[in-house]
Amino acid sequence: EAGVAQSPRYKIIEKRQSVAFWCNPISGHATLYWYQQILGQGPKLLIQFQNNGVVDDSQLPKDRFSAERLKGVDSTLKIQPAKLEDSAVYLCASSSFPGAGDNEQFFGPGTRLTVL
Amino acid sequence: AQSVSQHNHHVILSEAASLELGCNYSYGGTVNLFWYVQYPGQHLQLLLKYFSGDPLVKGIKGFEAEFIKSKFSFNLRKPSVQWSDTAEYFCAVSPYSSASKIIFGSGTRLSIRP
Repeated sequence: EAGVAQSPRYKIIEKRQSVAFWCNPISGHATLYWYQQILGQGPKLLIQFQNNGVVDDSQLPKDRFSAERLKGVDSTLKIQPAKLEDSAVYLCASSSFPGAGDNEQFFGPGTRLTVL
Repeated sequence: AQSVSQHNHHVILSEAASLELGCNYSYGGTVNLFWYVQYPGQHLQLLLKYFSGDPLVKGIKGFEAEFIKSKFSFNLRKPSVQWSDTAEYFCAVSPYSSASKIIFGSGTRLSIRP
């Protein structure tokens, strides 16, 4: 089966600019996650969707980050305006409907963002 | 708050050496446990997982991990490493009460000398 797709793979912007990332999960996977991975750290969950509804966005900096999954499939994550500290790899992951004990997540290749 | 600690940031071994990477978590309830691996230039992929049953879990490529509930630990082991095991390894925990949320450790970089 095809994996999680993300684009672009790399993005370089200047601070205060805007940027958007796109994710297409594995077909049939109801749950979609966006993570931020800063160099030297593990992935940190930004937002979790169940179909097109938000399950958890407690760690999303809502003053500058937004995400949507309008039709319950693809998702976009936007940063506006970007700050230097947003430089990171943004990972998208998906899983099938998460029954307790069955929440393996499949990750995409990530988008490496550099903010200058 | 739940957290995952990986105490070894960078481990360097020679081929055929034995490997053990430490992982401890802080959560008092039932958990699901994972080890993910990221090979150079590749995306994160699941190495092994523990949901219930036998606390000794076997994964791909000869890796195994042992869940010791009393120590809140889930250490990763391999009896004989290969150069191709060079990668970053992430331990992760998912509280059973929040079946989807996964909390990752900071990772351990493993370098294997040929």
